[in-house]
Amino acid sequence: DGGITQSPKYLFRKEGQNVTLSCEQNLNHDAMYWYRQDPGQGLRLIYYSQIVNDFQKGDIAEGYSVSREKKESFPLTVTSAQKNPTAFYLCASSPTGGTEAFFGQGTRLTVV
Amino acid sequence: GEDVEQSLFLSVREGDSSVINCTYTDSSSTYLYWYKQEPGAGLQLLTYIFSNMDMKQDQRLTVLLNKKDKHLSLRIADTQTGDSAIYFCAESMSSSNTGKLIFGQGTTLQVKP
Repeated sequence: DGGITQSPKYLFRKEGQNVTLSCEQNLNHDAMYWYRQDPGQGLRLIYYSQIVNDFQKGDIAEGYSVSREKKESFPLTVTSAQKNPTAFYLCASSPTGGTEAFFGQGTRLTVV
Repeated sequence: GEDVEQSLFLSVREGDSSVINCTYTDSSSTYLYWYKQEPGAGLQLLTYIFSNMDMKQDQRLTVLLNKKDKHLSLRIADTQTGDSAIYFCAESMSSSNTGKLIFGQGTTLQVKP
């Protein structure tokens, strides 16, 4: 089945540790995105990539890093510099010139 | 800057119509979207409207766009308990980058039997 797969679904991290969230898509989409969702708030854009080996900061990039070495994959690293990392993280992809973005099922990150 | 606003909560009885409202500030929006999120899940696209349209109907869903007032609404006819979810309004500023979205805070729809 075509779609976007995020893993793991739940992730626990100790303070001071980096953690990487996986996002893979087999939709052959050029563009991929990472959003953060906090309770009672809309989604906020962390990073996005429109093509392999290129990515841009979104509105809340501080404390996060990404890579786009393959078209199918856009992993997000939450670094220890992110002061409030507990949140629900959503990955999305869209085709260039398309009308919609497709979302994964999300990863809930909790710092313990 | 861009901003999208929604009311946070709506409660209706099963069988009634639901109307979820959204306002946005940037008149250069290209597409406007309605997404549905069920608990613990990702976002599911319900429908979208191109900025040069006034209305779009898709089965039980009707989207109305008032460009003058920068107001978007989603009407769900014959609301069912399975429609209970959070509904997000979003705008895209570019036809070539439709995943770069500005979201509202989400409206929680509660459907009472």
